[in-house]
Amino acid sequence: AQSVTQPDIHITVSEGASLELRCNYSYGATPYLFWYVQSPGQGLQLLLKYFSGDTLVQGIKGFEAEFKRSQSSFNLRKPSVHWSDAAEYFCAVGNSGNTPLVFGKGTRLSVIA
Amino acid sequence: DGGITQSPKYLFRKEGQNVTLSCEQNLNHDAMYWYRQDPGQGLRLIYYSQIVNDFQKGDIAEGYSVSREKKESFPLTVTSAQKNPTAFYLCASSSRPGADTQYFGPGTRLTVL
Repeated sequence: AQSVTQPDIHITVSEGASLELRCNYSYGATPYLFWYVQSPGQGLQLLLKYFSGDTLVQGIKGFEAEFKRSQSSFNLRKPSVHWSDAAEYFCAVGNSGNTPLVFGKGTRLSVIA
Repeated sequence: DGGITQSPKYLFRKEGQNVTLSCEQNLNHDAMYWYRQDPGQGLRLIYYSQIVNDFQKGDIAEGYSVSREKKESFPLTVTSAQKNPTAFYLCASSSRPGADTQYFGPGTRLTVL
């Protein structure tokens, strides 16, 4: 069975600083990987996804993520954080079968001036 | 606009009462899901359905029930058997489980008094 670990529960960064949110997955075959963002009291919005091909994936709002098979990681990055990026971020892993996506517990991002 | 609607946004019930949360999608998706979200717990899968008239238990199905009589609709009933029903409930849909992007509704916050 697949699993996802987001090691950081809460991260605080300064506005304009770079950001990296970590995601490690466990799955025997090639995974399908996703990053979602959730603002307080809202549903989740897809930021980006990786299915195959180029391991560096571009998403919305200036985010990108890199799939590293050797490290079982799919870390999310942004070169310059804006105050509006403060939210909770979820990594998820899927597969080619019929089991639903498995989500990590999330990383809450705070942005300070 | 295509999407997922959940109603109501906020719901209050007395302890011991059953309550049904609505989820409708017009994305023509086969698969639908219900998640429960509590602070620090991430998303926990309650039930999912891959096709009309079929559904499977997720990780925390006890005290909940669902039906899938129409492709567009996947209502969730929180029964009096659910020990701690106060939470934020999210509905999602996808073309199929596993490999496809899940699209989320705005959520329903249920408070049991």
